Amino acid sequence: GQQLNQSPQSMFIQEGEDVSMNCTSSSIFNTWLWYKQDPGEGPVLLIALYKAGELTSNGRLTAQFGITRKDSFLNISASIPSDVGIYFCAGPIERGGNQFYFGTGTSLTVIP
Amino acid sequence: GAGVSQSPSNKVTEKGKDVELRCDPISGHTALYWYRQRLGQGLEFLIYFQGNSAPDKSGLPSDRFSAERTGESVSTLTIQRTQQEDSAVYLCASSNGFYNEQFFGPGTRLTVL
Repeated sequence: GQQLNQSPQSMFIQEGEDVSMNCTSSSIFNTWLWYKQDPGEGPVLLIALYKAGELTSNGRLTAQFGITRKDSFLNISASIPSDVGIYFCAGPIERGGNQFYFGTGTSLTVIP
Repeated sequence: GAGVSQSPSNKVTEKGKDVELRCDPISGHTALYWYRQRLGQGLEFLIYFQGNSAPDKSGLPSDRFSAERTGESVSTLTIQRTQQEDSAVYLCASSNGFYNEQFFGPGTRLTVL
């Protein structure tokens, strides 16, 4: 199946630091979505991107839809303890039918 | 308002038994998805329902897996003759259309002994 590669796989940072993670694929995506998943819960949507080159912010979060449509990044500024969780990129590929593909996840730990 | 709910929250079963997992989507949401999440991994698409259209079953891993949804209401995912490799969290999500935000339920953790 499709591979959405996320990096880094895990991060350990100090509270207050900025975080950057990215997602790449060999396929072209129509939409890029970034989700956060807390333990024992389903993922929650953070940011949605719909156009190549689009840069969108949601509070301390900023995400960009890559120009090639094969990648996206998510930045978190001034991290706080509640940012802890697993972050997933996701989206439907062009001409890929109804499947949504999810990345392998980036596990974030914030040290107070 | 009520979110997506799933039941049971946990299910332990013996290898070879059948299990049925239930999803109650948000009222009015036309689209419903099932995903499988193995420990420490991302979500794996299983099946997609949109209104009264034929479901997209392209993600189902084998013919032991099936799902039903009546109209825009409850969906059930059935796994027959469970295997240990079926152990995972099964997540359901609903949305108001394909490109709209998917709202996830808390999942059902299935353990096959």
